[in-house]
Amino acid sequence: AQTVTQSQPEMSVQEAETVTLSCTYDTSESDYYLFWYKQPPSRQMILVIRQEAYKQQNATENRFSVNFQKAAKSFSLKISDSQLGDAAMYFCAYSTNQFYFGTGTSLTVIP
Amino acid sequence: SQTIHQWPATLVQPVGSPLSLECTVEGTSNPNLYWYRQAAGRGLQLLFYSVGIGQISSEVPQNLSASRPQDRQFILSSKKLLLSDSGFYLCALKLHPNYGYTFGSGTRLTVV
Repeated sequence: AQTVTQSQPEMSVQEAETVTLSCTYDTSESDYYLFWYKQPPSRQMILVIRQEAYKQQNATENRFSVNFQKAAKSFSLKISDSQLGDAAMYFCAYSTNQFYFGTGTSLTVIP
Repeated sequence: SQTIHQWPATLVQPVGSPLSLECTVEGTSNPNLYWYRQAAGRGLQLLFYSVGIGQISSEVPQNLSASRPQDRQFILSSKKLLLSDSGFYLCALKLHPNYGYTFGSGTRLTVV
């Protein structure tokens, strides 16, 4: 069965510093997609970054980047130069025909 | 690009009352549509999904039902709300697995 595990329920980071959120997944598929979603206090779910499993190059979107380790089934999110607006719940997700979410990591940014 | 309109944003309903949450889609046709519930600001639970008009799949047996009367309309309903139905309800669409979900802005339901 496909599962997504986020082992850090809560994380905190100092403003302007870097933080890494962990995500592991379990699958027998070889072709799939991985995502990180941000849910700020407004609770709107916002796509942060996505990664195709067949691509070895790690995805990057401005201050957000991933470390995708396919053999280890690991997909961590790195946020550089953290800003107050980055404070949110972050969900890792895995997709083939079905979509699987992790349980989320609550990120606090300390001024 | 596709957008999802979801309303109402907030709803307070008494126990035993009916429920109807509506989700409409613009900018695309024949999307896969989904209803999720999020309790206590934590994980997302898939409730229903639909691959086309009149086609509904239920993931969790419960007090809720869903319908898709039109290609771009997805409705979540209940005949009699329970306290346990309180939560944050999100509608989402997916065009292709690699695009991920596009979410609506959600409805915060409180059953009192």
